[in-house]
Order: sequence, then C-alpha cells, then structure tokens
Amino acid sequence: QVQLVESGGGVVQPGRSLRLSCAASGFTFRRYGMHWVRQAPGKGLEWVAVLSYDRTDEHYADSVKGRFTISRDNSKNTLYLQMNSLRAEDTAVYYCAKEASMVRGVSNPYFDYWGQGTLVTVSS
Amino acid sequence: DIQMTQSPSTLSASVGDRVTITCRASQSINIWLAWYQQKPGKAPKLLIYKASSLESGVPSRFSGSGSGTEFTLTISSLQPDDFATYYCQQYNSYPLTFGGGTKVEIK
Repeated sequence: QVQLVESGGGVVQPGRSLRLSCAASGFTFRRYGMHWVRQAPGKGLEWVAVLSYDRTDEHYADSVKGRFTISRDNSKNTLYLQMNSLRAEDTAVYYCAKEASMVRGVSNPYFDYWGQGTLVTVSS
Repeated sequence: DIQMTQSPSTLSASVGDRVTITCRASQSINIWLAWYQQKPGKAPKLLIYKASSLESGVPSRFSGSGSGTEFTLTISSLQPDDFATYYCQQYNSYPLTFGGGTKVEIK
C-alpha cells in the first residue's frame, strides 16, 4: 500500500534553515509528480511546491518562492523540501502528497495520497 | 492566481440530512476541481476529482457537480463519520489553490 512518511520537522529560529524529507513506498515513485502542502495551526490548506516525476518542471507558491527548494532522489524514493530564511508565518504542518496518475501524458495535480505530516515551528 | 471561495464556512446538520457545500472559482477552471475531507489531526482524504468523479472507496452518498466557476459537493444522507472539514482545490493552473474550508458540525 502507498505510504508517505515525512520527517525533519521541529522548532527553528526565524532566519534559520530546515530540510524536510518524505520517504515514499508502495508505488513507483519515479513516475509521479510530488507536492508539499502545508497547514498553519487552526487554518486551511496551502499548496507549497511541486516537482515533476522527471525533475524537469517545478512550481512554488509566491509565499515561499526564492526561499524554499523542492527536490527528489528517485533512487531513494524520497522527496525533500529545503526551507531557508524561515519566518514565523511558515509555522505549519507540512504534508507530502502524491499526485494522481497522468492521463494521456498530462499530469493531474490533485492528491490521492498524503503523508501524516511533520510540524515545523518557527519561533525565537 | 485563481481564488477559491467556499460557502458556508460552517454548517450545522443532523444525521440523515442532505448537505451541500459550494465552491466558486475566481475564473473558469473547466472541471479541474477536487474535494477533500479532513478530520482533526489527520491528513486530508480525496473524495472527488474532475469535479464529479468519485474516488475509489468513497461512499456513493458523496457526489460532486459543476464546471467553469461554480461547483458543489453534496452528501445525500449525512452519516456520523462525515462530520469533518471539507476543502475544494483547483488544479487548472499553478499555483494550485484551495478553498478556505467548510466545517460540518453536529446540530
């Protein structure tokens, strides 16, 4: 069965960096686009970033552009999110999410599987 | 960016009620809309994709409709397990965006 397990969250001071990981299993990781979605405490869902299956296409939310970098290692079935220059407003549970299957070579960026999330708290 | 607006933000209903949640897009997204259910402390769960396609394993009391800018999620007969928060998400274009959520509470 599909499993996505995030790690790397914790408490970090403003301006510092953190790297999140998402270990994937139960599906052919290298064939799917992968995303990060976050949820601030008591708030709604906010999409953060996507990296295509072959690493040729990536997009970011304006709120993190230039500070966060998404990457993946298809040999390790792992997705990453490097977060630099962290701010208090980045405090959230970060979810890794698997994109649904492509149809006729076109990606479908909605999410059929999610990890359990990892909490990032940015505070001095 | 495409803004997604859900209404209502909170809904009080009883078991057995028919419930409808609306999601409006700030511009046309064709049928590229998904619905998720989220319970406290848990990850979201996919219910509907492509506006009206039911995800495998999701009970048939859930249905979705709409196209363009206006969409609805309907629960035909609310069950105890359905009390949760529901989100719509557009995937017509990046950045992907979610609605603000609709919390379905017990009346």
